[in-house]
Amino acid sequence: NAGVTQTPKFRVLKTGQSMTLLCAQDMNHEYMYWYRQDPGMGLRLIHYSVGEGTTAKGEVPDGYNVSRLKKQNFLLGLESAAPSQTSVYFCASRPPGRTYNEQFFGPGTRLTVL
Amino acid sequence: EDQVTQSPEALRLQEGESSSLNCSYTVSGLRGLFWYRQDPGKGPEFLFTLYSAGEEKEKERLKATLTKKESFLHITAPKPEDSATYLCAVISYNNNDMRFGAGTRLTVKP
Repeated sequence: NAGVTQTPKFRVLKTGQSMTLLCAQDMNHEYMYWYRQDPGMGLRLIHYSVGEGTTAKGEVPDGYNVSRLKKQNFLLGLESAAPSQTSVYFCASRPPGRTYNEQFFGPGTRLTVL
Repeated sequence: EDQVTQSPEALRLQEGESSSLNCSYTVSGLRGLFWYRQDPGKGPEFLFTLYSAGEEKEKERLKATLTKKESFLHITAPKPEDSATYLCAVISYNNNDMRFGAGTRLTVKP
């Protein structure tokens, strides 16, 4: 099993450009999450999904959109990138059931917006 | 609002020098407290979940404990390969989101 994979690993954008980050998991997990990690601030939840076709906002959703068309994939979109969105983005997944089940994380995508 | 504070921000130890990392939390009803390890350039890797005060869990040189206000990650006789950032996170009855602390960056010198 590959676990949770993310593409791309690195990306540089100019202000105003758009892009999509892809997260894929092969563990048949229902729940998937997108986080961003900034120095000194820890991981913050952007959006999450509790199943195929569903999405919900997390702590810092502004400027991002998501889609979960297939159970194994969770896409994070930036419609008009801003320098404040420079960060490392992590995807995670977990099985259904107890809220406190552990989350499995991908390797991250480092995004720089100039 | 749920809050998680980790201290110290950074910790440098000599190999074999035991120490503890602290995670203080403020939540409305704790469902679970998590410890993760994160190596540079990688995603967090799960270590432990603690559910109630008094609970303890161990894995190799690591031992996590929980009280009503904080959790400690005790590292006994650390080795250089224990160098990493250790993250603490909580889930409360208030919300289903996992809230993370900023982490403690541990460096173990040989």
